[in-house]
Amino acid sequence: EPEVTQTPSHQVTQMGQEVILRCVPISNHLYFYWYRQILGQKVEFLVSFYNNEISEKSEIFDDQFSVERPDGSNFTLKIRSTKLEDSAMYFCASSKVGTDRTEAFFGQGTRLTVV
Amino acid sequence: SQKIEQNSEALNIQEGKTATLTCNYTNYSPAYLQWYRQDPGRGPVFLLLIRENEKEKRKERLKVTFDTTLKQSLFHITASQPADSATYLCALPAGNNRKLIWGLGTSLAVNP
Repeated sequence: EPEVTQTPSHQVTQMGQEVILRCVPISNHLYFYWYRQILGQKVEFLVSFYNNEISEKSEIFDDQFSVERPDGSNFTLKIRSTKLEDSAMYFCASSKVGTDRTEAFFGQGTRLTVV
Repeated sequence: SQKIEQNSEALNIQEGKTATLTCNYTNYSPAYLQWYRQDPGRGPVFLLLIRENEKEKRKERLKVTFDTTLKQSLFHITASQPADSATYLCALPAGNNRKLIWGLGTSLAVNP
């Protein structure tokens, strides 16, 4: 069964450092997302990506964040200068069409710890 | 702003019983509603999607209802099993339909 894969599963980084979280979405999907979940809190939307551009982003997704789809398979989230409050589980997701009509498939997440 | 509320208390039930979880929403009229399961330290896994013109949807032991007047969805697991123990999340499409907004989830524990 096709699945979304994320690497690394855990990342520990110093405050102020750049991190890149990587995702391989399901191959025939057209929409890609990043969500995050701070421990004990709700899943929060960060950004959606379609047709090689950002289609929507949340207030959390400020200038420190960027996304790229550098080739036909990878989808990355970069945080330029990490803060303590960026510590969370980051989930990549993909869907065939928009999630108003179909389900999103999630990866297992990257646990980011900023120290 | 749009808000989603799920029973905040953990639900403990005996194996074989029916679990019923609630999702209420305000300031919103979604055309769809989705339910996901999340195990500790893992990503959400899709379970069911129900449209506003569908009162009820079933998949094996799962049943979802969607009452747009009450702005509420109920999620039922019949003949529950210990393997059903997890957190169950309600999610609704929002914005320009390129994102989901989420409830906090209800933790379900099924005791053998």
